[in-house]
Amino acid sequence: ELKVEQNPLFLSMQEGKNYTIYCNYSTTSDRLYWYRQDPGKSLESLFVLLSNGAVKQEGRLMASLDTKARLSTLHITAAVHDLSATYFCAGQYSGGGADGLTFGKGTHLIIQP
Amino acid sequence: DSGVTQTPKHLITATGQRVTLRCSPRSGDLSVYWYQQSLDQGLQFLIQYYNGEERAKGNILERFSAQQFPDLHSELNLSSLELGDSALYFCASSELADSYNEQFFGPGTRLTVL
Repeated sequence: ELKVEQNPLFLSMQEGKNYTIYCNYSTTSDRLYWYRQDPGKSLESLFVLLSNGAVKQEGRLMASLDTKARLSTLHITAAVHDLSATYFCAGQYSGGGADGLTFGKGTHLIIQP
Repeated sequence: DSGVTQTPKHLITATGQRVTLRCSPRSGDLSVYWYQQSLDQGLQFLIQYYNGEERAKGNILERFSAQQFPDLHSELNLSSLELGDSALYFCASSELADSYNEQFFGPGTRLTVL
């Protein structure tokens, strides 16, 4: 059974600072996803990481995947208030066939001026 | 806007009752997934349908069932509701069966059981 752990679960940081959210998973996962959720809203897809060493960047966010270490990171550069949200990573069991996503508990990120 | 629609947005009902949540996937997507988000359990995968057939099951209770219709919309039926079923229920869709494509989430249905 795939298990996904994120840390930290809560992060308060100042604008302009850099930080990294970590996502560890327990068994082989074909792919790793990052989603953003604003309070009371749906999940917005940020990144899909499909292979070892994959790195994707969008604005101030950069995600990477190390399948050997079973680790994905979401790095925030020069944070701005608009990035305040809850960020989820999710894995997908690679046992073949279809399966839903297994989510981490989420990282609640607050960026203060 | 992901292109996935869900109705209703909010639902308030009593314990023991039965409700139906509805989802329409993005145009062209054949796969529909249902997820439950609660404070206790976080985000949990419930069930997946692909082109009308059940494809994968997650942590779905026996009191819950789903189906996907020929027009590809899906319904999640929750019966004998308990207080603990109060949650946000999301539907997501993707193009293919094996979820290799990204899953796009709908706005969710917030269920409150009193």
